Amino acid sequence: QLQLQESGPGLVKPSETLSLACTVSGGSIRSTSYYWGWIRQPPGKGLEWIGSIYYGGNTYYSPSLKSRVTISVDTSKNQFSLKLSSVTAADTAVYYCARHILYCSTTSCSPGWFDPWGQGTLVTVSS
Amino acid sequence: EIVLTQSPGTLSLSPGERATLSCRASQSVSSISSNHLAWYQQKPGQAPRLLIYGASSRATDIPDRFSGSGSGTDFTLTISRLEPEDFVMYYCQQYGSSLYTFGQGTKLEIK
Repeated sequence: QLQLQESGPGLVKPSETLSLACTVSGGSIRSTSYYWGWIRQPPGKGLEWIGSIYYGGNTYYSPSLKSRVTISVDTSKNQFSLKLSSVTAADTAVYYCARHILYCSTTSCSPGWFDPWGQGTLVTVSS
Repeated sequence: EIVLTQSPGTLSLSPGERATLSCRASQSVSSISSNHLAWYQQKPGQAPRLLIYGASSRATDIPDRFSGSGSGTDFTLTISRLEPEDFVMYYCQQYGSSLYTFGQGTKLEIK
């Protein structure tokens, strides 16, 4: 059964870079059927998609975060990573990684829904 | 950006009753061949769990009391007979565009 596990610092100072990794177990990240995504949830609030990556390196980013976000993949470690620069208190959230399922029409395939999700990790931005 | 509006914000019902949750998109999230909408359940302190994709297809191991319907801009998640563990948060998500967005959620609470 595929599992995802987030890891990284739980506390980041304002203006610094948040760095998280997601390790995939029970399956290969080098699958042609999936992207791999990051989603966050501020305490007590809703879900916000951050971005997604294919094992070959193709990425989609949320336009509202694109200038500060880098998502990368390390197939040798079966892992993908998130970097978010210049963080502020507004970036305090639980960060989830998830498998982003590709769906195909007659002409193309695109990422669709997220399943499964990692358990999430709380990152607090504070000095 | 496609905005998803879920209603109601909070739904108060009793176990055994039927729940109807709505998700409305600011523009169509359907193509000729499919409806690009998913539903998730989130219990306190846990990650979201996929319930429904393609507006009406149940995910693996999801009980058949959960069903989804709709097309275009209007979608519904129905829970036919509420169990005590169903009284949690529900989110919809669209993938009709490559800017993936979620609704703000509906909280299902015990009346």
